[in-house]
Amino acid sequence: GESVGLHLPTLSVQEGDNSIINCAYSNSASDYFIWYKQESGKGPQFIIDIRSNMDKRQGQRVTVLLNKTVKHLSLQIAATQPGDSAVYFCAERDNFNKFYFGSGTKLNVKP
Amino acid sequence: DAGVIQSPRHEVTEMGQEVTLRCKPISGHDYLFWYRQTMMRGLELLIYFNNNVPIDDSGMPEDRFSAKMPNASFSTLKIQPSEPRDSAVYFCASSPEYNEQFFGPGTRLTVL
Repeated sequence: GESVGLHLPTLSVQEGDNSIINCAYSNSASDYFIWYKQESGKGPQFIIDIRSNMDKRQGQRVTVLLNKTVKHLSLQIAATQPGDSAVYFCAERDNFNKFYFGSGTKLNVKP
Repeated sequence: DAGVIQSPRHEVTEMGQEVTLRCKPISGHDYLFWYRQTMMRGLELLIYFNNNVPIDDSGMPEDRFSAKMPNASFSTLKIQPSEPRDSAVYFCASSPEYNEQFFGPGTRLTVL
């Protein structure tokens, strides 16, 4: 889930394990969703996107799952690597064409 | 491609001063976005342009903030007068269509 404020939820995983990062979005009319990765001191970087007419989309080592019934989005990272350590944001585009970002989840990969 | 370019990377100023942040989007991208990121509020969309025209500025905090895009390769975000609560990282992003956005490295603004 997401939280607002000074403390980001943190997911700690062992290198080589799979990671699952979750996001709850707010608007059932949102039609497009994106996952971004943000490393310290850098801007967000696009990872993968999905449209509302899909349930699943796969990229290289990443999979996004969309459950419109419960307004839930997840990002799965296979064989997590130290370079995957970052803050991950989900974003939704609502029916007014406006983008909203979640507050982020910090992924910590332990070697 | 050099990606989205922002300047300055860091800005420290005193309350009341004018601050101008600059952005050069990726060539050929029709959309340009300005965001503000703070620990308390996360990433917030301030304004976005399509083909140099402001489309939605509802995220601009108040009249002290203004943004312009005089041509396809340049945009500015101006804060006048600046206040300590404006301290944040400001990101510019561009997009070929209204979907995936490419972010710049950001400008870290500190208002004393």
